[in-house]
Amino acid sequence: QVQLQESGPGLVKPSETLSLTCTVSGGSVSSYYWSWIRQPPGQGLEWIGYISNSGNTNYNPTLKSRVAISVDTSKNQFSLKLISVTAADTAVYYCARGGLFGLDSWGQGTLATVSS
Amino acid sequence: QSALTQPPSASGSRGQSVTISCTGTSSDVGGYSYVSWYQQHAGKAPKVIVYEVTKRPSGVPDRFSGSRSGNTASLTVSGLQVEDEADYYCSSYARSSTVLFGGGTKLTVL
Repeated sequence: QVQLQESGPGLVKPSETLSLTCTVSGGSVSSYYWSWIRQPPGQGLEWIGYISNSGNTNYNPTLKSRVAISVDTSKNQFSLKLISVTAADTAVYYCARGGLFGLDSWGQGTLATVSS
Repeated sequence: QSALTQPPSASGSRGQSVTISCTGTSSDVGGYSYVSWYQQHAGKAPKVIVYEVTKRPSGVPDRFSGSRSGNTASLTVSGLQVEDEADYYCSSYARSSTVLFGGGTKLTVL
């Protein structure tokens, strides 16, 4: 059974870059699509984007200019970078397996707070 | 590209049935058979309970069922149990190969 675990700094300063990594166990990142989703405190889920098994990416149009998702097959990980962050980017960030057609496995989530 | 529309809350007594709606457009819910539903208990990660409109992953009780009519998808929970109290989110494939989520529905079991 595939398991996902997010990691990264819990605190990021405004205007800096948020970088998170998702480590996959029990499955290969070379297979499937992989996604990032976030949830601001007390709010709903927001799709950030996905990377396909061939390395193609697609992003939420509202975040597209600031976000990049990449994969590292040697470490069986995929990553999220979000530049020029503001307080509005404070959220629990989840990684998940799947892309356009449903997300069947999720990490436990990691809280990223944007504050000086 | 707007979020899908869900009622903010729903409730039902133990043993009863409740239906949660998810309204989109012909460019998402109504146009593609890729609607999913997720259950999220407080402080936990979401878990898929319905995918491709009507399919249930293994291990999900058959008390949970999905359907769609036009641009509105629905999740029905039959025989409500205390452990069904959670937030429920719908999502859909949308034109331009993106994904939309609903705003979420808080289900209370009375």
